[in-house]
Amino acid sequence: NAGVTQTPKFQVLKTGQSMTLQCAQDMNHEYMSWYRQDPGMGLRLIHYSVGAGITDQGEVPNGYNVSRSTTEDFPLRLLSAAPSQTSVYFCASSYAGSAGEGYEQYFGPGTRLTVT
Amino acid sequence: AQKITQTQPGMFVQEKEAVTLDCTYDTSDPSYGLFWYKQPSSGEMIFLIYQGSYDQQNATEGRYSLNFQKARKSANLVISASQLGDSAMYFCAMRSYEGYSTLTFGKGTMLLVSP
Repeated sequence: NAGVTQTPKFQVLKTGQSMTLQCAQDMNHEYMSWYRQDPGMGLRLIHYSVGAGITDQGEVPNGYNVSRSTTEDFPLRLLSAAPSQTSVYFCASSYAGSAGEGYEQYFGPGTRLTVT
Repeated sequence: AQKITQTQPGMFVQEKEAVTLDCTYDTSDPSYGLFWYKQPSSGEMIFLIYQGSYDQQNATEGRYSLNFQKARKSANLVISASQLGDSAMYFCAMRSYEGYSTLTFGKGTMLLVSP
């Protein structure tokens, strides 16, 4: 299994440009999530999905869009990049689980995005 | 709403000593899970240990143990016999099992292990 893969690893954008960060997993996980990591802020949830066709907003969704057409893929779209979106982006996946089941989230390697 | 608090921005420990990284949480949900992740300087997120809110015993995984005190809402990570490779950022996280939910992370503690 490849686990959770993310592309690209690094990206530089100009303000106003749009782009899509790709995320794929081959573990048949129901849950997929996008986080951003900023210094001193930990990881903050952007959007998540509990299955194909179902998405919801997290803590910091503004400026980002997601869709989930398949179980495997969960792309994150930056609609009009801003310097405040300079961050490291992590995609994660896990089984849905239920009470008492410690299904950890598996993380991708991250995408380091700089917006100038 | 859930909240995770890690009050130690940085911790120092000497090799072979034990260290405790603090984590307190706040939730009104009766069923939840607590996780610890390690992030070395290379950037990847590595799962270390899990504790369920109904688990009677503290979780252990090799040199890692979780000191779970439910009444105090704390879930401290204990690393025994620290190694140089333990130097990393450590994140505490929580997931509620009420409805759909994802992980809420603390801001992390940077651990430095010296020879």
